[in-house]
Amino acid sequence: AQKVTQAQTEISVVEKEDVTLDCVYETRDTTYYLFWYKQPPSGELVFLIRRNSFDEQNEISGRYSWNFQKSTSSFNFTITASQVVDSAVYFCALSEAQSGGFQKLVFGTGTRLLVSP
Amino acid sequence: SQTIHQWPATLVQPVGSPLSLECTVEGTSNPNLYWYRQAAGRGLQLLFYSVGIGQISSEVPQNLSASRPQDRQFILSSKKLLLSDSGFYLCAWRGLSGEAFFGQGTRLTVV
Repeated sequence: AQKVTQAQTEISVVEKEDVTLDCVYETRDTTYYLFWYKQPPSGELVFLIRRNSFDEQNEISGRYSWNFQKSTSSFNFTITASQVVDSAVYFCALSEAQSGGFQKLVFGTGTRLLVSP
Repeated sequence: SQTIHQWPATLVQPVGSPLSLECTVEGTSNPNLYWYRQAAGRGLQLLFYSVGIGQISSEVPQNLSASRPQDRQFILSSKKLLLSDSGFYLCAWRGLSGEAFFGQGTRLTVV
C-alpha cells in the first residue's frame, strides 16, 4: 500500500534562512509519481511540482529545489532564503500508476512552515 | 483552460441536518474526480473518487456519500450530519499529466 510520511509537523525559521521539508514514501510499484503542494492560509492547495519515478534528477525553480532519492525513498523540498510569504502548510503526495487508469493520490500529514521577519 | 468550482465556501449546519456540496469542472472531459477532507490541523484524507459518470469508489466508511450525475459534476452528500463531519472539504480533478488541481474548498462546521 502507498504511504507518505512527513515527520516534521511544524518548522519555524527566520526570514532568509534555508529550510528543508522532509518526505519519505512507501510504494510497491516501480512506476509512481511524487508531488508537493502548498496550502496557504486561504486553504486552497497549490501544485508545486510533479516528479515521476524514472526521473531522479533534482530540480530547481527559483528559491525552491527538490531532491529525489529512490535509494532512501525520499523526496525532500528545500526553500532557499525563506520569505514570510512562504509560510504555509506543505504537503507531499504519492500516486501509483495502476493499470486500471485510476491513480489514487495519497497525501502526507503536512508540514507547517512559519517564517518570521 | 481548466477550472474547478466548489461551493459554498463556508457552511454551518446543525447536527442531523442534510448536506450537499457541489463541485464542477470546466475545460476538460472525463476527468478523474476526488473528494478529500482535511480535519483541523491534519492532513488530507481521500473520501471518494470517480473515474466516470455514476462510478463512485469510497475510501473510508463514513456518514457521507458521493454521486457523479454528469461528467464534470461531483457531489458530496450526507443525510444526517454528525459533529465529526466538521472539516475542510476539497474537490479535485486529475489531469493527464498526473497532478491534481483543487477547488477552493468548503469549510464545514457542524454545530
